[in-house]
Amino acid sequence: TAGITQAPTSQILAAGRSMTLRCTQDMRHNAMYWYRQDLGLGLRLIHYSNTAGTTGKGEVPDGYSVSRANTDDFPLTLASAVPSQTSVYFCASSDKGGQDTQYFGPGTRLTVL
Amino acid sequence: GNSVTQMEGPVTLSEEAFLTINCTYTATGYPSLFWYVQYPGEGLQLLLKATKADDKGSNKGFEATYRKETTSFHLEKGSVQVSDSAVYFCAREPYSSASKIIFGSGTRLSIRP
Repeated sequence: TAGITQAPTSQILAAGRSMTLRCTQDMRHNAMYWYRQDLGLGLRLIHYSNTAGTTGKGEVPDGYSVSRANTDDFPLTLASAVPSQTSVYFCASSDKGGQDTQYFGPGTRLTVL
Repeated sequence: GNSVTQMEGPVTLSEEAFLTINCTYTATGYPSLFWYVQYPGEGLQLLLKATKADDKGSNKGFEATYRKETTSFHLEKGSVQVSDSAVYFCAREPYSSASKIIFGSGTRLSIRP
């Protein structure tokens, strides 16, 4: 079972360019999440989706957008990247949210120059 | 503010040493509590959890007991191995169904052979 996959594994991006980070899960989980992980700051929630067709803002949503057209996919888009968006991005999913266990993807390392 | 506070790292121990990583949470009811582990180059994965007061979660030789009187969920292991080197995150169930799981800032553990 693949679980959660993310693509690309890593990317170097010029400032001002756009990029979409892909996330796919095969567990039929309802809820999905995007986090960024920065040294000394732990995990911070960017956006989430409780179910297909709905999305919500997390702790640090500015500069990012998401969509949830179906259960399996939850892409994260940076419309115009800035150096402060250099980070490791993790996608996660859970069956119902709340107290349910979250399952994480392997991460995407993004460097914005 | 952050409602999950965990011991700052890094923590460096010798193999077979006893491990404690402290975690406390703010008390609003009796939330489910979790420990996640992140091995180098990977996403987070659930290590153990406890869903009510006095419960003990355990996995891979790690244990944590839900202590409501001290609002704590400290992670312990009697004899650590080099393969336990990772970052450990304490987390709690969100305050409401509209909010999300709350992670601590993480504690990096390094085990010397």
